[in-house]
Amino acid sequence: RKEVEQDPGPFNVPEGATVAFNCTYSNSASQSFFWYRQDCRKEPKLLMSVYSSGNEDGRFTAQLNRASQYISLLIRDSKLSDSATYLCVVSGGGFKTIFGAGTRLFVKA
Amino acid sequence: ETGVTQTPRHLVMGMTNKKSLKCEQHLGHNAMYWYKQSAKKPLELMFVYSLEERVENNSVPSRFSPECPNSSHLFLHLHTLQPEDSALYLCASSQGQGRTEAFFGQGTRLTVV
Repeated sequence: RKEVEQDPGPFNVPEGATVAFNCTYSNSASQSFFWYRQDCRKEPKLLMSVYSSGNEDGRFTAQLNRASQYISLLIRDSKLSDSATYLCVVSGGGFKTIFGAGTRLFVKA
Repeated sequence: ETGVTQTPRHLVMGMTNKKSLKCEQHLGHNAMYWYKQSAKKPLELMFVYSLEERVENNSVPSRFSPECPNSSHLFLHLHTLQPEDSALYLCASSQGQGRTEAFFGQGTRLTVV
C-alpha cells in the first residue's frame, strides 16, 4: 500500500462545478497534513493546511478524518484558474514528509 | 517571487559529466530539502538537512552527493548519472520540522544523455 494515495484523475469539470479530491494515508502516526497546488512546469505551493476540525478558505474546504486516515479537499464554484495538480501531503513528524502522486484538475469554460 | 532560488533552471549532461545544482533560501529557515520529481510519479524526498546536518537520506544512490555549507545554501553534486535520473529536482526549505509549510524553488530540469 502506498504511504499516501490520491484519486488518479484527471478531473475534467465545467466552470462553476464543485469538485472533491480524496487522499488516504497509511501511517496512523502522521501528524500534519497539507494540500499543495502545482501548476504545469512550476513548483508546488501550499494551498492550505488541514486541521482535525476541518478548515475553510474561501471556495476551498479541507477535511481530515484520523480514524479513517482520510483527507479531502473540496473546491466550490470552480474557476478556470483552478486548473492545476493538487498534491496531498502528509508529515509523520520529524522531517519525513510524503507527497501523493497528485490529481490533475482541468476546469473548462 | 519565491524565497528559494535554484540554479541552473535547465541542465543537460552526459553520463560521464560532473555537475552541481545549487539552491539558496532567503527565508531564514533552518531546514532544507532535495526532492526528485519524475514524470507521472510523486515527489520523492532525497535528502533533508536541519541546521546544516543531514537528517534524512532516503536510500539515494551515491552518484548524488548533497552538501550544505550553511543554513542558506544547499548543493546537489552529480556524477556518472544514468538516463533514468532525468527529472525535475526541487529544493525546498522550511522552519522547523514537517509540521510547517515547505517553500519550493522553481526546480532544475535535468536531462541525462
